[in-house]
Amino acid sequence: GQQVMQIPQYQHVQEGEDFTTYCNSSTTLSNIQWYKQRPGGHPVFLIQLVKSGEVKKQKRLTFQFGEAKKNSSLHITATQTTDVGTYFCAVDSGGSNYKLTFGKGTLLTVNP
Amino acid sequence: DTGVSQDPRHKITKRGQNVTFRCDPISEHNRLYWYRQTLGQGPEFLTYFQNEAQLEKSRLLSDRFSAERPKGSFSTLEIQRTEQGDSAMYLCASSLSGQLYEQYFGPGTRLTVT
Repeated sequence: GQQVMQIPQYQHVQEGEDFTTYCNSSTTLSNIQWYKQRPGGHPVFLIQLVKSGEVKKQKRLTFQFGEAKKNSSLHITATQTTDVGTYFCAVDSGGSNYKLTFGKGTLLTVNP
Repeated sequence: DTGVSQDPRHKITKRGQNVTFRCDPISEHNRLYWYRQTLGQGPEFLTYFQNEAQLEKSRLLSDRFSAERPKGSFSTLEIQRTEQGDSAMYLCASSLSGQLYEQYFGPGTRLTVT
């Protein structure tokens, strides 16, 4: 099935610093979704990217889909303590149109 | 509350016992998914329903696992003869159908097998 590598596994930043997590696939992706899971919580959908080279912004969060549709990134500008959590990318496994394969996630901690 | 709900939130059971979890999806969602999540990992797909039909079951789901969605609304996940390796968070999610839509997750049921 579809595999995605997510790096880094952990990232600790000072409040106000930027943060980026990357998701990489060896095969071309039809689309990619990003989820956030707060400590003790459940995954919450952030965004879906579909088009090659697509860039979407949500306030301080910027999501990019690579030109070859094999990688994606999530960048947070000026992190806040509310950004703490694990960020997962998830891809449509085998073009099923329903089955998601999640990366292992990047755990972000923010020092106030 | 119109989100996905799961019951119970926590379950502690002894090895060899059977357990059953319930998931109530968002009412207008006809797709329902079960995932398993262990510490430090992302959710792993277990099974998927379109209305009442179970359309895919992961190889992760041994014969001890069974899921139902009898009327296309709520779903149950049963684990028979639990093993310590079954200890995990069991997440339910729902979505609309037609294309790959965002999935709405419930709070999960944390299972501990002693």
